[in-house]
Order: sequence, then structure tokens, then C-alpha cells
Amino acid sequence: EAGVTQFPSHSVIEKGQTVTLRCDPISGHDNLYWYRRVMGKEIKFLLHFVKESKQDESGMPNNRFLAERTGGTYSTLKVQPAELEDSGVYFCASSQSHSPLHFGNGTRLTVT
Amino acid sequence: GESVGLHLPTLSVQEGDNSIINCAYSNSASDYFIWYKQESGKGPQFIIDIRSNMDKRQGQRVTVLLNKTVKHLSLQIAATQPGDSAVYFCAGANSGNTPLVFGKGTRLSVIA
Repeated sequence: EAGVTQFPSHSVIEKGQTVTLRCDPISGHDNLYWYRRVMGKEIKFLLHFVKESKQDESGMPNNRFLAERTGGTYSTLKVQPAELEDSGVYFCASSQSHSPLHFGNGTRLTVT
Repeated sequence: GESVGLHLPTLSVQEGDNSIINCAYSNSASDYFIWYKQESGKGPQFIIDIRSNMDKRQGQRVTVLLNKTVKHLSLQIAATQPGDSAVYFCAGANSGNTPLVFGKGTRLSVIA
């Protein structure tokens, strides 16, 4: 079984630019989550999809972040325009109902 | 709100010794807890989980203990090996609806 895959693995952009992160969950997993870890701090929840619907987006920091999951398969997380404080590792995770989250290897975003 | 934290940021153990990583949580409504292991360049990997109707659960070389009275859980690793070196995160949730809340992580270093 393929795991959760994220693309790109690394991204370096300048402040003010736009970046789009992609996550492909494990096939058949309805739940898809985005988390973020800023350097030295804990992994923080951003949002949760159930299929194509946003179940909980309480962790999204501001309106510069836009997540989509059209068709209920893969998801994208767009940051526009990026700011320095957006740097960190963005993790995607997926799960079936009442099962542990399976994480991807993350996208390391550096905003300069 | 929920907060999950760890008592120690780093832990060094001799190869072959047992390791104990501790975690405290603040929300008494939390009823589901997970331990994750994160190796460099990878995403968090599920180790073991426990629900609040249990106080102990064992896996292969790992044991999780949950003390609901003092809102504390621990991860015990038996016969620690160099491959166990990683950052360990505890995470908790109210399995009804809330997303997982992560602690900051403990870095385990195994000395050969």
C-alpha cells in the first residue's frame, strides 16, 4: 500500500510569492489533514477534510492560506502571498474513520 | 483548550537500556492518545495508541501507560536500539471531533 505522498519535498520562495503544496492521501482514506511544524515548536493542526468537505479549518492561520480537495482525492494547500513566518514543515496526514493518522514526509517551506 | 506537553526535550540512553518518555495533557476530555516517532527528513510514524478506557497497552518493545488521574502518559521502549533514535511526539484528542493536538517532542539519542 502506498503511503501518504507530498510534493514538493522542499520549496524555497521569496516573500510575497505563491507556493502550492500537494498531498496525495492513502487510497480510500476519506479523512485528510494538514499540519505544520514551525522550527522548534510543536506540530500544529491546520485543517481537516472529510472527502471534499472542510470539516474543521480552525487552525488555518489567516486568509493567505487556501486548502482544497476537489473530488475528495488529493489536496492542495496554497500560500499567497507567502510571509517569512510561514516557513516550516507542512505535513499531510490521512486516515479512515477511527484509525490513527498516517503522515507523509512533509514539505519543507523556506520563505526568504 | 487542549495542550499536550513533554517534560524533557532531550533524552540520552545507553543501547540496551530501557527508555521512558513522558507527556502531560491538560484537557480532561481527551480520550485518545497516540505516540509518534519522527526520524530526520520523514513524517511522524505511528507507534502505539491508547484510549482512556485503558491504562496500559503493549506493543512490540513499546508500552504506553496512561494515568488519567494526573493526566499523564508515558512511552516505554525496552532494550533501546540505535534505530530508536528519533524525536518522539505524544498527541491527544477527544475522539468525538477534535483534531490531534501534539506536544513539542522529545529527542531520544541512543548511545552505542
